Amino acid sequence: QVQLVESGGGVVQPGRSLRLSCAASGFSLSGSGMHWVRQAPGKGLEWVAVVYYDGTKKYYTDSVKGRFTISRDNSKDTLYLQMSSLRAEDTAVYYCARLIGFYAFDIWGQGTTVTVSS
Amino acid sequence: EIVLTQSPDTLSLSPGERATLSCRASQSVSSNYLAWYQQKPGQAPRLLIYAASSRATGIPDRFSGSGSGADFTLTISRLEPEDFAVYYCQQYDSFPYTFGQGTKLEIK
Repeated sequence: QVQLVESGGGVVQPGRSLRLSCAASGFSLSGSGMHWVRQAPGKGLEWVAVVYYDGTKKYYTDSVKGRFTISRDNSKDTLYLQMSSLRAEDTAVYYCARLIGFYAFDIWGQGTTVTVSS
Repeated sequence: EIVLTQSPDTLSLSPGERATLSCRASQSVSSNYLAWYQQKPGQAPRLLIYAASSRATGIPDRFSGSGSGADFTLTISRLEPEDFAVYYCQQYDSFPYTFGQGTKLEIK
């Protein structure tokens, strides 16, 4: 079964760090660009970051630049999002998603919830 | 940054009716890298349409996408009860990738 499974979410205080993981099963991550997308409570979808299939290029939305780092380990078929200096506005469900060529985000994880609160 | 504006914000229709959802971009989306997603409460988004008009695997043919440049449309020809959800358009032409604010399709 082709799927992505996120983990690592939780409740964290402002200013602290958290690392999210996204494990692929049923397919290899190595041929895919991998993305993180988040959704704040009751809000729409927001693209967060991308890492190219080989890890050579990474892009971020402005609000997380310098605080979040996306990475991948193709040998483990796992994607990561290291989040630091967390703020209340980072509270959201975080989804990982796959993109291959022009096929858009065809596979999504079920999401992991991050709550930043004191 | 390409800003996507969806209209209407809410669409109230009955099962069996036709739904037309609009997505307008602040600048042209090259190569028509425009996708549509459906999201139901508590669930991850599901890809419906990619490259503006291509249906994703397993998507019923009552869903169709059209448009080019900066104006795109998602049409649901005959609404089924399971189609009532929130729909998002997304451009994946240039970073930062962006989503529209969503259109909520509700039962009238």
